[in-house]
Amino acid sequence: QKEVEQDPGPLSVPEGAIVSLNCTYSNSAFQYFMWYRQYSRKGPELLMYTYSSGNKEDGRFTAQVDKSSKYISLFIRDSQPSDSATYLCAMSGTGFQKLVFGTGTRLLVSP
Amino acid sequence: SAVISQKPSRDICQRGTSLTIQCQVDSQVTMMFWYRQQPGQSLTLIATANQGSEATYESGFVIDKFPISRPNLTFSTLTVSNMSPEDSSIYLCSVEGGQSQETQYFGPGTRLLVL
Repeated sequence: QKEVEQDPGPLSVPEGAIVSLNCTYSNSAFQYFMWYRQYSRKGPELLMYTYSSGNKEDGRFTAQVDKSSKYISLFIRDSQPSDSATYLCAMSGTGFQKLVFGTGTRLLVSP
Repeated sequence: SAVISQKPSRDICQRGTSLTIQCQVDSQVTMMFWYRQQPGQSLTLIATANQGSEATYESGFVIDKFPISRPNLTFSTLTVSNMSPEDSSIYLCSVEGGQSQETQYFGPGTRLLVL
């Protein structure tokens, strides 16, 4: 079993839709939870991170962590075609160095 | 934020040969990381490279197969040795950054195809 599971998609939605991206994990030692966005032929870039459980909002993006269920989510409101990319969840137990990534979910937002 | 460049951007190699990938950062950084991103697989950490010390390899990766150099605070190389088709992958370097070192900045990656 992988430490981090993520549906590879693709997930296709119309412009303006609310998008929900999710990851599950098995290692209860994970404390830091991150979402990266990766455009085609580019390296991943950090969108948001949260420490432990709870919610965090940044503009159209909201990250949620439920440690009791070992489940994290990223919500994108009013999705735009420019949001089309692969979204990677990443986690670590001690800081931001040794990251364990999900496989990524490919999101396609059509105009 | 750090700007990272990698060379080559892509290459096609014959099995049994070796390829050295270069990673250049526009600022001095303590830690650099090398990842592999195989098709349909998650981004996987190969090793952590600190300047002036031996690289630290993750489980499943060995120095003989992936020797790393870190001659200064802005540059590192990863060599993929004695390549086989299973080494076909995207290789990325990254550095830690952000106000509280809360992120890693990634290079654009090197796409490697081994025939």
